[in-house]
Amino acid sequence: QQPVQSPQAVILREGEDAVINCSSSKALYSVHWYRQKHGEAPVFLMILLKGGEQKGHEKISASFNEKKQQSSLYLTASQLSYSGTYFCGTENTGGFKTIFGAGTRLFVKA
Amino acid sequence: NAGVMQNPRHLVRRRGQEARLRCSPMKGHSHVYWYRQLPEEGLKFMVYLQKENIIDESGMPKERFSAEFPKEGPSILRIQQVVRGDSAAYFCASSEGTGRLGYGYTFGSGTRLTVV
Repeated sequence: QQPVQSPQAVILREGEDAVINCSSSKALYSVHWYRQKHGEAPVFLMILLKGGEQKGHEKISASFNEKKQQSSLYLTASQLSYSGTYFCGTENTGGFKTIFGAGTRLFVKA
Repeated sequence: NAGVMQNPRHLVRRRGQEARLRCSPMKGHSHVYWYRQLPEEGLKFMVYLQKENIIDESGMPKERFSAEFPKEGPSILRIQQVVRGDSAAYFCASSEGTGRLGYGYTFGSGTRLTVV
């Protein structure tokens, strides 16, 4: 039931792009994306509802493919502040709670 | 508008004692979720509550753990007779509604429980 995230970790140079994937074995109602910095609380980035929509703000966007039960987070022209662990959370048709993936550790270096 | 308030930030308990973790959701949020996180790991769902109701407690151990969200006051996660394996960060999150309605979660800063 836990969504699978890939890659587990990625190292970028400032200005490079990255894609983080999230897939589920169950039909999904929604996909959340959060970023957590070390020792801090996760911070909400965006939520996508079933329907194949794409959302985003500034240089961070995401897509949701309902048929494939997958979502991808796109980080464009990464900045040092993007470093952290990114979690996707999925709410499937079996309940109302959000289950989180194991996380993708992103490190952006100058 | 204050965010999600959790206290205490750090809690040390001896084995066998009780731990009581508090969470005040954001104003206007009636949905509360508790998650547990071990170092370098993901967020494990524990329980989902609305005012005076437990909606889903499928992630909570059957023994020693309980949660409530009374009509008045904060949500409480209670761990009785703590053991070393209970040491973790416990995060509370709140929302106006469920994800399928388009609501994301706001997380508190967490309570870091250490059992000695």
